[in-house]
Amino acid sequence: KNQVEQSPQSLIILEGKNCTLQCNYTVSPFSNLRWYKQDTGRGPVSLTIMTFSENTKSNGRYTATLDADTKQSSLHITASQLSDSASYICVVSARVGGSYIPTFGRGTSLIVHP
Amino acid sequence: EAQVTQNPRYLITVTGKKLTVTCSQNMNHEYMSWYRQDPGLGLRQIYYSMNVEVTDKGDVPEGYKVSRKEKRNFPLILESPSPNQTSLYFCASTMGPSTSYEQYFGPGTRLTVT
Repeated sequence: KNQVEQSPQSLIILEGKNCTLQCNYTVSPFSNLRWYKQDTGRGPVSLTIMTFSENTKSNGRYTATLDADTKQSSLHITASQLSDSASYICVVSARVGGSYIPTFGRGTSLIVHP
Repeated sequence: EAQVTQNPRYLITVTGKKLTVTCSQNMNHEYMSWYRQDPGLGLRQIYYSMNVEVTDKGDVPEGYKVSRKEKRNFPLILESPSPNQTSLYFCASTMGPSTSYEQYFGPGTRLTVT
């Protein structure tokens, strides 16, 4: 069964500090991996997407890495801001026939304190 | 402005009373999906549609129906809602089935079934 595990479940950091969120997956056949940011009460917004051949992708202060061999990904947030407080969701998609089937992680809840 | 809209945003209803949650996108996207999000479980796909008149089940389709008569609209129908369908629902759309395309989520519909 395809699974996506995220850690930690929640994280509290001080404004200005860096942090790293983890995503381990067992999804096959792998198509791509996406990180989303979801603010409380709102829909998820895509941060990065990586295919099998990519191992790093940046979007401003967000940098995602992918190790397809160990089936691990991380999302690094640099110089955190209060607005980074949100849930971060890792989604790994498998290609099955003509469809792309997403498996969602349960998310990491990040709180940034001033 | 490119967007996915859902209505209503909040709904409280009683067991067995049929309801419809509407979803509309203005980006001419072919691929649309419905998800539910529950605490501790993350997002789970209910149904998806690859184009007009083409729909398929996701991970948790029981108790739900969908239709896709027009490209822009993808309503979610609960014929006989039950309390276990109390959840936060998101509609999403994307250019095509490949998740390499950007996926846009609606603002969410919070449904309570008593």
